[in-house]
Amino acid sequence: DAMVIQNPRYQVTQFGKPVTLSCSQTLNHNVMYWYQQKSSQAPKLLFHYYDKDFNNEADTPDNFQSRRPNTSFCFLDIRSPGLGDAAMYLCATSRRGRTQYFGPGTRLLVL
Amino acid sequence: AQTVTQSQPEMSVQEAETVTLSCTYDTSENNYYLFWYKQPPSRQMILVIRQEAYKQQNATENRFSVNFQKAAKSFSLKISDSQLGDTAMYFCAFVFGNTDKLIFGTGTRLQVFP
Repeated sequence: DAMVIQNPRYQVTQFGKPVTLSCSQTLNHNVMYWYQQKSSQAPKLLFHYYDKDFNNEADTPDNFQSRRPNTSFCFLDIRSPGLGDAAMYLCATSRRGRTQYFGPGTRLLVL
Repeated sequence: AQTVTQSQPEMSVQEAETVTLSCTYDTSENNYYLFWYKQPPSRQMILVIRQEAYKQQNATENRFSVNFQKAAKSFSLKISDSQLGDTAMYFCAFVFGNTDKLIFGTGTRLQVFP
Protein backbone atom coordinates (compact mmCIF):
# COMPACT_ATOMS: atom_id res chain seq x y z
CA ASP A 1 0.00 0.00 0.00
CA ALA A 2 1.16 3.51 -0.78
CA MET A 3 1.98 5.34 2.41
CA VAL A 4 3.89 7.92 4.41
CA ILE A 5 6.44 6.48 6.83
CA GLN A 6 8.13 8.26 9.70
CA ASN A 7 11.12 7.09 11.69
CA PRO A 8 11.64 6.82 14.53
CA ARG A 9 8.18 6.77 16.11
CA TYR A 10 9.64 7.90 19.43
CA GLN A 11 12.80 9.91 19.91
CA VAL A 12 14.39 10.91 23.19
CA THR A 13 17.19 13.45 23.07
CA GLN A 14 19.08 15.62 25.48
CA PHE A 15 18.81 19.36 25.72
CA GLY A 16 21.04 20.83 23.01
CA LYS A 17 21.86 17.52 21.32
CA PRO A 18 21.06 17.56 17.55
CA VAL A 19 18.39 15.21 16.33
CA THR A 20 17.15 14.17 12.89
CA LEU A 21 13.67 12.88 12.09
CA SER A 22 12.98 11.18 8.79
CA CYS A 23 9.99 10.83 6.51
CA SER A 24 9.57 8.76 3.38
CA GLN A 25 6.69 8.29 0.98
CA THR A 26 5.65 5.86 -1.71
CA LEU A 27 2.85 8.09 -3.04
CA ASN A 28 5.14 9.92 -5.49
CA HIS A 29 3.73 13.24 -4.31
CA ASN A 30 5.65 16.36 -5.22
CA VAL A 31 4.93 18.26 -1.99
CA MET A 32 6.21 17.22 1.44
CA TYR A 33 5.45 19.00 4.72
CA TRP A 34 6.70 19.08 8.29
CA TYR A 35 4.33 20.03 11.09
CA GLN A 36 4.85 20.47 14.80
CA GLN A 37 1.91 19.57 17.01
CA LYS A 38 1.62 20.14 20.74
CA SER A 39 -1.08 18.59 22.86
CA SER A 40 -4.67 19.52 22.00
CA GLN A 41 -3.57 21.99 19.33
CA ALA A 42 -3.85 21.99 15.58
CA PRO A 43 -0.68 21.08 13.70
CA LYS A 44 1.60 24.03 12.99
CA LEU A 45 3.32 24.07 9.62
CA LEU A 46 7.11 24.46 9.92
CA PHE A 47 8.04 24.26 6.23
CA HIS A 48 7.33 22.40 3.05
CA TYR A 49 8.97 21.42 -0.20
CA TYR A 50 7.32 21.75 -3.58
CA ASP A 51 9.61 19.45 -5.52
CA LYS A 52 13.03 20.87 -4.57
CA ASP A 53 11.75 24.34 -3.74
CA PHE A 54 11.98 24.93 0.00
CA ASN A 55 9.32 27.09 1.67
CA ASN A 56 9.94 28.18 5.23
CA GLU A 57 7.18 29.58 7.42
CA ALA A 58 8.03 33.06 8.73
CA ASP A 59 7.74 32.02 12.38
CA THR A 60 9.72 28.78 12.15
CA PRO A 61 12.76 29.07 14.43
CA ASP A 62 16.22 28.91 12.84
CA ASN A 63 16.86 25.89 15.05
CA PHE A 64 14.75 23.85 12.61
CA GLN A 65 16.17 22.85 9.25
CA SER A 66 15.04 20.47 6.54
CA ARG A 67 16.52 18.48 3.68
CA ARG A 68 14.88 16.72 0.77
CA PRO A 69 17.54 14.70 -1.07
CA ASN A 70 15.02 13.12 -3.46
CA THR A 71 11.29 12.83 -4.14
CA SER A 72 10.76 10.08 -1.60
CA PHE A 73 12.63 11.33 1.46
CA CYS A 74 12.52 14.42 3.64
CA PHE A 75 14.38 15.08 6.91
CA LEU A 76 13.78 17.43 9.80
CA ASP A 77 16.91 18.50 11.67
CA ILE A 78 16.68 20.17 15.05
CA ARG A 79 20.08 21.62 15.70
CA SER A 80 19.86 22.38 19.40
CA PRO A 81 16.64 21.05 20.88
CA GLY A 82 15.16 22.93 23.80
CA LEU A 83 12.53 21.77 26.25
CA GLY A 84 9.95 23.72 24.26
CA ASP A 85 10.63 21.60 21.18
CA ALA A 86 9.14 18.51 22.78
CA ALA A 87 6.14 17.73 20.58
CA MET A 88 4.70 15.42 17.98
CA TYR A 89 6.24 15.97 14.54
CA LEU A 90 4.03 15.08 11.61
CA CYS A 91 5.13 14.61 8.03
CA ALA A 92 2.58 14.89 5.22
CA THR A 93 2.60 14.66 1.44
CA SER A 94 0.31 15.84 -1.33
CA ARG A 95 -0.05 16.80 -4.94
CA ARG A 96 -0.10 20.59 -5.15
CA GLY A 97 -3.32 22.05 -3.78
CA ARG A 98 -4.79 18.65 -3.05
CA THR A 99 -5.37 16.29 -0.14
CA GLN A 100 -2.55 15.94 2.36
CA TYR A 101 -1.77 12.45 3.66
CA PHE A 102 -0.04 12.18 6.99
CA GLY A 103 2.46 9.78 8.46
CA PRO A 104 2.07 8.31 11.95
CA GLY A 105 4.25 11.00 13.53
CA THR A 106 7.39 11.06 15.66
CA ARG A 107 6.98 11.91 19.33
CA LEU A 108 10.03 13.87 20.50
CA LEU A 109 11.00 14.06 24.15
CA VAL A 110 13.74 16.45 25.26
CA LEU A 111 15.44 15.75 28.60
CA ALA B 1 -7.67 36.26 5.71
CA GLN B 2 -8.16 32.52 5.40
CA THR B 3 -9.55 31.10 8.63
CA VAL B 4 -11.40 28.06 9.94
CA THR B 5 -13.58 28.16 13.05
CA GLN B 6 -14.71 25.15 15.04
CA SER B 7 -16.95 26.49 17.77
CA GLN B 8 -17.34 23.23 19.72
CA PRO B 9 -14.18 22.39 21.68
CA GLU B 10 -15.71 19.19 23.03
CA MET B 11 -18.69 17.00 22.21
CA SER B 12 -19.97 13.69 23.41
CA VAL B 13 -22.39 11.15 21.97
CA GLN B 14 -23.70 7.77 22.93
CA GLU B 15 -22.78 4.75 20.86
CA ALA B 16 -25.11 4.22 17.85
CA GLU B 17 -26.38 7.80 18.01
CA THR B 18 -25.76 10.59 15.49
CA VAL B 19 -23.61 13.64 16.12
CA THR B 20 -22.84 16.74 14.04
CA LEU B 21 -19.62 18.72 14.30
CA SER B 22 -19.67 22.33 13.13
CA CYS B 23 -17.16 24.18 11.00
CA THR B 24 -17.21 27.57 9.35
CA TYR B 25 -14.50 29.09 7.23
CA ASP B 26 -13.62 32.35 5.61
CA THR B 27 -12.02 32.79 2.24
CA SER B 28 -12.38 35.00 -0.80
CA GLU B 29 -11.20 32.19 -3.05
CA ASN B 30 -13.59 30.36 -5.31
CA ASN B 31 -11.53 27.24 -5.87
CA TYR B 32 -10.75 25.23 -2.76
CA TYR B 33 -11.02 21.84 -1.07
CA LEU B 34 -12.46 21.19 2.37
CA PHE B 35 -11.49 18.33 4.66
CA TRP B 36 -12.30 16.67 7.91
CA TYR B 37 -9.39 14.88 9.56
CA LYS B 38 -9.63 12.58 12.57
CA GLN B 39 -6.83 12.25 15.12
CA PRO B 40 -7.37 9.37 17.59
CA PRO B 41 -5.23 8.94 20.73
CA SER B 42 -2.50 7.37 18.57
CA ARG B 43 -2.06 10.89 17.09
CA GLN B 44 -2.14 9.59 13.49
CA MET B 45 -3.96 12.20 11.37
CA ILE B 46 -6.48 10.35 9.24
CA LEU B 47 -8.51 11.78 6.37
CA VAL B 48 -12.22 11.27 7.03
CA ILE B 49 -13.84 13.05 4.11
CA ARG B 50 -13.16 15.76 1.54
CA GLN B 51 -15.32 18.10 -0.49
CA GLU B 52 -14.48 20.03 -3.64
CA ALA B 53 -15.96 23.51 -3.39
CA TYR B 54 -17.19 23.46 -6.99
CA LYS B 55 -19.33 20.39 -6.32
CA GLN B 56 -22.82 21.04 -4.99
CA GLN B 57 -23.39 17.46 -3.94
CA ASN B 58 -22.44 16.74 -0.34
CA ALA B 59 -19.65 14.20 0.10
CA THR B 60 -20.39 10.91 1.87
CA GLU B 61 -18.08 8.18 3.15
CA ASN B 62 -19.99 5.33 4.79
CA ARG B 63 -21.20 6.67 8.18
CA PHE B 64 -19.64 10.09 7.59
CA SER B 65 -21.33 12.83 5.57
CA VAL B 66 -21.00 16.56 5.26
CA ASN B 67 -23.44 19.43 4.95
CA PHE B 68 -21.65 21.88 2.68
CA GLN B 69 -23.25 25.31 2.44
CA LYS B 70 -20.95 27.34 0.19
CA ALA B 71 -22.78 30.66 0.47
CA ALA B 72 -22.78 30.42 4.25
CA LYS B 73 -19.19 29.08 4.26
CA SER B 74 -20.26 26.22 6.47
CA PHE B 75 -18.96 22.64 6.36
CA SER B 76 -20.39 20.43 9.11
CA LEU B 77 -19.62 16.73 9.63
CA LYS B 78 -22.34 14.25 10.53
CA ILE B 79 -21.35 10.93 12.05
CA SER B 80 -24.15 8.35 12.00
CA ASP B 81 -24.28 5.20 14.12
CA SER B 82 -21.38 6.44 16.26
CA GLN B 83 -18.85 3.82 17.32
CA LEU B 84 -16.38 3.77 20.19
CA GLY B 85 -13.58 3.94 17.64
CA ASP B 86 -14.85 7.35 16.52
CA THR B 87 -13.51 8.83 19.75
CA ALA B 88 -10.90 11.32 18.55
CA MET B 89 -10.03 14.93 17.89
CA TYR B 90 -11.61 16.12 14.65
CA PHE B 91 -10.05 18.91 12.62
CA CYS B 92 -11.78 20.84 9.86
CA ALA B 93 -9.38 22.23 7.23
CA PHE B 94 -9.18 23.65 3.73
CA VAL B 95 -6.67 24.32 1.00
CA PHE B 96 -7.25 26.79 -1.80
CA GLY B 97 -6.07 27.41 -5.31
CA ASN B 98 -2.56 26.18 -6.02
CA THR B 99 -1.27 26.94 -2.56
CA ASP B 100 0.22 24.16 -0.50
CA LYS B 101 -0.94 25.31 2.91
CA LEU B 102 -3.65 23.49 4.81
CA ILE B 103 -5.60 25.89 7.02
CA PHE B 104 -6.76 24.08 10.18
CA GLY B 105 -9.46 24.82 12.69
CA THR B 106 -8.75 24.42 16.40
CA GLY B 107 -10.39 21.00 16.58
CA THR B 108 -13.35 19.35 18.30
CA ARG B 109 -12.72 16.57 20.78
CA LEU B 110 -15.40 13.89 20.37
CA GLN B 111 -16.03 11.28 23.04
CA VAL B 112 -18.27 8.31 22.20
CA PHE B 113 -19.77 6.63 25.28
CA PRO B 114 -21.01 3.03 25.42
